[in-house]
Amino acid sequence: QITLKESGPTLVKPTQTLTLTCTFSGFSLSTNGMGVGWIRQPPGRALEWLALIYWDDDKRYNPSLKRRLTVTKDTSKNQVVLSMTNVDPVDTATYYCAHMPLAWDLTFFDYWGQGALVTVSS
Amino acid sequence: QLMLTQSPSASASLGDSVKLTCTLSSGHSDNAIAWYQQQPEKGPRFLMKLNSDGTHNKAGGIPGRFSGSSSGAERYLSISSLQSEDEADYYCQSWGADKMVFGGGTRLTVL
Repeated sequence: QITLKESGPTLVKPTQTLTLTCTFSGFSLSTNGMGVGWIRQPPGRALEWLALIYWDDDKRYNPSLKRRLTVTKDTSKNQVVLSMTNVDPVDTATYYCAHMPLAWDLTFFDYWGQGALVTVSS
Repeated sequence: QLMLTQSPSASASLGDSVKLTCTLSSGHSDNAIAWYQQQPEKGPRFLMKLNSDGTHNKAGGIPGRFSGSSSGAERYLSISSLQSEDEADYYCQSWGADKMVFGGGTRLTVL
């Protein structure tokens, strides 16, 4: 059974760096084809993809946020960490991490964490 | 560039059927997509992966009332025998040029 859970601060000040951790179980990120992604959702708005890290440490980022994002993994701890620099109130959102399965025809997420609400405010 | 377009809202009565649409932007009509359901105050839930030929793979536990189909650049999510718990936001998602894209979502109201 695959589970994921996000953790991190609930309140961050503008210009600070936000660091979120995704702790997962039920799969190994060293398994061929696997990945973990980050997605966010501002209050009342749509989902927005942020980043994806693959089993081989390859990474993909949303081009509009790429300069501010870093995603890393610790396979031994079953964790993926997302860092976002220079946060702004518009970054207030629920942040989700999700499992990407091996699939040849589409990159998608089949299991999602419960989400972590992060508020950016002074 | 890849974009997914969804109507902001839809409604149907309890017990009826509804068909939600996700339209792929020009040049991407062969893309597969995924459908997600997000019930109020909950995280997204993967429903199915839907190919351009209409074949689809549903996630475990998704009722038979949910199905997918395709026509050209349009991808559909059909829900029959609507129940109150189907009231939710529905998102489509695809991948192109090393980038994941979500549609704007459709809020389904069950009357």
